[in-house]
Amino acid sequence: AQSVTQLDSHVSVSEGTPVLLRCNYSSSYSPSLFWYVQHPNKGLQLLLKYTSAATLVKGINGFEAEFKKSETSFHLTKPSAHMSDAAEYFCVVTSRFSGGYNKLIFGAGTRLAVHP
Amino acid sequence: DAGVTQSPTHLIKTRGQQVTLRCSPKSGHDTVSWYQQALGQGPQFIFQYYEEEERQRGNFPDRFSGHQFPNYSSELNVNALLLGDSALYLCASSLGSLQGVTYEQYFGPGTRLTVT
Repeated sequence: AQSVTQLDSHVSVSEGTPVLLRCNYSSSYSPSLFWYVQHPNKGLQLLLKYTSAATLVKGINGFEAEFKKSETSFHLTKPSAHMSDAAEYFCVVTSRFSGGYNKLIFGAGTRLAVHP
Repeated sequence: DAGVTQSPTHLIKTRGQQVTLRCSPKSGHDTVSWYQQALGQGPQFIFQYYEEEERQRGNFPDRFSGHQFPNYSSELNVNALLLGDSALYLCASSLGSLQGVTYEQYFGPGTRLTVT
């Protein structure tokens, strides 16, 4: 079975300060992990993905995440927050070895607020 | 290159009615997945279509059914609507994944269904 736990439902930061959104996963198989962002009244946009290569993954808009197998974590970070980063962020897991099926399992989401 | 498109954008239905939602995948994609996102929650996997067949299904009742057409577009049908079916319905397209390969899923903007 697979599951994702996003450890914070809300995170609030000041513009220009670092962002840390925490995610722990559980997977019986070698996982693929993703972070998606959802702006209000918009669809989901892929920020970055880990499939099996480098454990430090760089994504769009300055975001990056590190896959730590020993800690079963995949935390999302950004050195300096912008006002435009305010949105809902979802950590997602799927299996790379599930017979070719890759349904996505979403976490509950973390709402990021960025203050001036 | 058009991304994933969904129609309609918004829909209001009455309890007990039936609804059909439509999705056109990103050009070149052959797999369509549907997700339900209730307010304040992460998306939940409904089912996935590949080669016009449902090949994986989440924990949703038989009231939820779908179809994929030869051009890879897809429909989601929900019968006997309940108040709890009110949600954002998201369609995602991807390539049919191979064992050990995870192709990312691209999401459409969603259809907001309100059941009164």
